[in-house]
Amino acid sequence: QVQLQESGPGLVKPSETLSLTCTVSGGSISSYYWSWIRQPAGKGLEWIGRIYTSGSTNYNPSLKSRVTMSVDTSKNQFSLKLSSVTAADTAVYYCARVGEYCSNNSCYEDAFDIWGQGTMVTVS
Amino acid sequence: SYELTQPPSVSVSPGQTARITCSGDALPKQYVYWYQQKPGQAPVVVIYKDSERPSGIPERFSGSSSGTTVTLTISGVQAEDEADYYCQSADSSGTLHVVFGGGTKLTVL
Repeated sequence: QVQLQESGPGLVKPSETLSLTCTVSGGSISSYYWSWIRQPAGKGLEWIGRIYTSGSTNYNPSLKSRVTMSVDTSKNQFSLKLSSVTAADTAVYYCARVGEYCSNNSCYEDAFDIWGQGTMVTVS
Repeated sequence: SYELTQPPSVSVSPGQTARITCSGDALPKQYVYWYQQKPGQAPVVVIYKDSERPSGIPERFSGSSSGTTVTLTISGVQAEDEADYYCQSADSSGTLHVVFGGGTKLTVL
């Protein structure tokens, strides 16, 4: 079955750029939306953004100025870059697949149906 | 910005029914999804599109919708159901930005 695995540095210095990659295994990355979601310790989930395999993106307005997502279909990977990080960006970062459902000849985004295990990133 | 409101905590005894609400102005127009998150684990979807249950999720989990409020109901709560529960939806502005509720800690007494 499809599995996701986040990778990247666990420690980033303030003002630098956080970079993470999510590797998709057990299936193709194509024809799905993929998202990044983060969770500070003891707090709730925050959606960062989504990317389609065409490269089309959509970001959380509160992070939009600092976020860049990209996809590499040849490697079955998608990536997150978050610039100018501060301590407030310290969190567990999850990658997730956006499921899809179809109705009346149109298809729509569904739940985050597959998640990576998450990777802790500390800004310090 | 669009927000989804959940109670911070709900407590029930084993065998009782737990109800967790999620409120938002756009909910009549957008589906809601519910996720269960246990400590140290990634979230798992327990309810799709307001009321559909994925395969593998026990029948005691159900969802319902009424106006601007959706409800996750767990009937016959078991100790293993103790977890954080998050609702998720999208705004209705056309941008389809994803929004999560603040989460509800379900405690099984």
